[in-house]
Amino acid sequence: GAGVSQTPSNKVTEKGKYVELRCDPISGHTALYWYRQSLGQGPEFLIYFQGTGAADDSGLPNDRFFAVRPEGSVSTLKIQRTERGDSAVYLCASSPGEGLAEAETQYFGPGTRLLVL
Amino acid sequence: GENVEQHPSTLSVQEGDSAVIKCTYSDSASNYFPWYKQELGKGPQLIIDIRSNVGEKKDQRIAVTLNKTAKHFSLHITETQPEDSAVYFCAASTGAQKLVFGQGTRLTINP
Repeated sequence: GAGVSQTPSNKVTEKGKYVELRCDPISGHTALYWYRQSLGQGPEFLIYFQGTGAADDSGLPNDRFFAVRPEGSVSTLKIQRTERGDSAVYLCASSPGEGLAEAETQYFGPGTRLLVL
Repeated sequence: GENVEQHPSTLSVQEGDSAVIKCTYSDSASNYFPWYKQELGKGPQLIIDIRSNVGEKKDQRIAVTLNKTAKHFSLHITETQPEDSAVYFCAASTGAQKLVFGQGTRLTINP
């Protein structure tokens, strides 16, 4: 079946602009995660959704970052007033979710490469 | 919070030899330990995982061992092939929660 998909694959923007990054999880997966990966580093957690609600948003660096998942499927990560330091690969992952077999197994998408000039 | 340390940062082995990557974690509540392979320009791909109720798991040329007492786990790749060249990440979590990743190991297989 289809894996996690993310759009766009690449995004170039100017400092101060607003960007939206989209994630389509694996069908039926109730849990969705956003991570950020800087060059040469491991992914760092941003936010985790169980269904429509954010179960853990402790990784969001500041209030310029916000994510939604209004219908419990597709999620959008929104970054306001982008800064050059926001440049990174933004990864989305999904998992079957709590209470299901192999609930914690996370499958990653290809990522969105964000460059802020 | 959880902290995961991964060693070595780079590893170069001859084709056909074995490769071992080691990770330690700090949170004794962690109970799920996946390993991911990441190729250039792609997202992390799950290659094997282990849960805290077992000490070892094997899948063809890949194996993972877990020592809960010492809080460390290792990835073993035998009979390495050129296509094994990639960056490998270990991670830890407490169930269906966020993953905390190690810093990564760049593995190079020399023909």
